[in-house]
Amino acid sequence: GENVEQHPSTLSVQEGDSAVIKCTYSDSASNYFPWYKQELGKGPQLIIDIRSNVGEKKDQRIAVTLNKTAKHFSLHITETQPEDSAVYFCAASIAAGTALIFGKGTTLSVSS
Amino acid sequence: KAGVTQTPRYLIKTRGQQVTLSCSPISGHRSVSWYQQTPGQGLQFLFEYFSETQRNKGNFPGRFSGRQFSNSRSEMNVSTLELGDSALYLCASSLLGGVNTGELFFGEGSRLTVL
Repeated sequence: GENVEQHPSTLSVQEGDSAVIKCTYSDSASNYFPWYKQELGKGPQLIIDIRSNVGEKKDQRIAVTLNKTAKHFSLHITETQPEDSAVYFCAASIAAGTALIFGKGTTLSVSS
Repeated sequence: KAGVTQTPRYLIKTRGQQVTLSCSPISGHRSVSWYQQTPGQGLQFLFEYFSETQRNKGNFPGRFSGRQFSNSRSEMNVSTLELGDSALYLCASSLLGGVNTGELFFGEGSRLTVL
């Protein structure tokens, strides 16, 4: 089955810096790659997603890139703010109706 | 529009007992997925239900089971609890019934502590 590896497990940046989180997946048939943000005491919330027919997607300060050949995708956050501090999860799934498999998460800390 | 509601939010059990957790999805959502979250292991997929049928199942022992009712509400049950079952159990619903065809909406979870 699908396996998703996520790095780093923790990331500390200064406010205004950029943050990059990377994930690799094992199944070349995976075609959907969302990113979720989990704040303390809450459930994860979708922040951005990308499908395998797209190489890059951007939404304000957040962008995701996908390299299908290398089977990896990355989350980029620019101009980080303290409210970006949270746990971020990448995920992958093969097809409609199959399970969404998550990475183990990255704890991002943004200090002012 | 009400979000995903999970009950109870917190519970403490002892080894060998069983527990039932409940999830009410967003109105109109037919798919409900369950995940176990533990420190260091992230979100591990338990199972997904769509229209009262289990469609996908993760790699958990048979002690973990679930069901979905005709109103899309779902329950999961863990029998013969072990210390390692202590975790946050998250429920997520989606509109289109395919976990990769759209956003998963998560509840705040049920935190289970096994003593």
